[in-house]
Amino acid sequence: DTEVTQTPKHLVMGMTNKKSLKCEQHMGHRAMYWYKQKAKKPPELMFVYSYEKLSINESVPSRFSPECPNSSLLNLHLHALQPEDSALYLCASSHRLEVAQYFGPGTRLTVL
Amino acid sequence: TQLLEQSPQFLSIQEGENLTVYCNSSSVFSSLQWYRQEPGEGPVLLVTVVTGGEVKKLKRLTFQFGDARKDSSLHITAAQPGDTGLYLCAGPEEAGGTSYGKLTFGQGTILTVHP
Repeated sequence: DTEVTQTPKHLVMGMTNKKSLKCEQHMGHRAMYWYKQKAKKPPELMFVYSYEKLSINESVPSRFSPECPNSSLLNLHLHALQPEDSALYLCASSHRLEVAQYFGPGTRLTVL
Repeated sequence: TQLLEQSPQFLSIQEGENLTVYCNSSSVFSSLQWYRQEPGEGPVLLVTVVTGGEVKKLKRLTFQFGDARKDSSLHITAAQPGDTGLYLCAGPEEAGGTSYGKLTFGQGTILTVHP
């Protein structure tokens, strides 16, 4: 089983809303990631969690707040987003930091 | 900074044709991954190559890792419309031999296979 699940599939929110993206994996992976992807471009790394601890924050604005409640779950809390934050948000996981990452299907976020 | 240059950026071919996508760097990578992504979906891992000179086959797809581990290629034989998508190569960024989970991605190749 190499499945990473993400909910919701689509999300439309206003600039004053608060919402959360969820990611789950049951492969026993200890590293989890959030990426942002614009159309026809490669994913851009946002955050890396290793053993449930935040290990990399790629200078992401504070309106994005990650959370790793346990080894299987990863959340991304969104608040006061801007229209330019509209993108496909991808979650990924891997056994360890140095091995291949498995991506989820993504959440298509639109900020109005 | 490790960079991956992927070419071509766009490829539009007819069903049944062969094609090759290249992923080149001036840096050595401990491994390289190839992903395929369809519109609105997440990237799907196709293969990981680890050993210099390694060749891996996945049905009609053949992946090669350069002897010096600085380049890789993806060859598709007899392309089908179902092969349409964004192809990405990626390799782990390393500092002092340690990876911290960051991937360097190529710019991607958008492949369209016409029936």
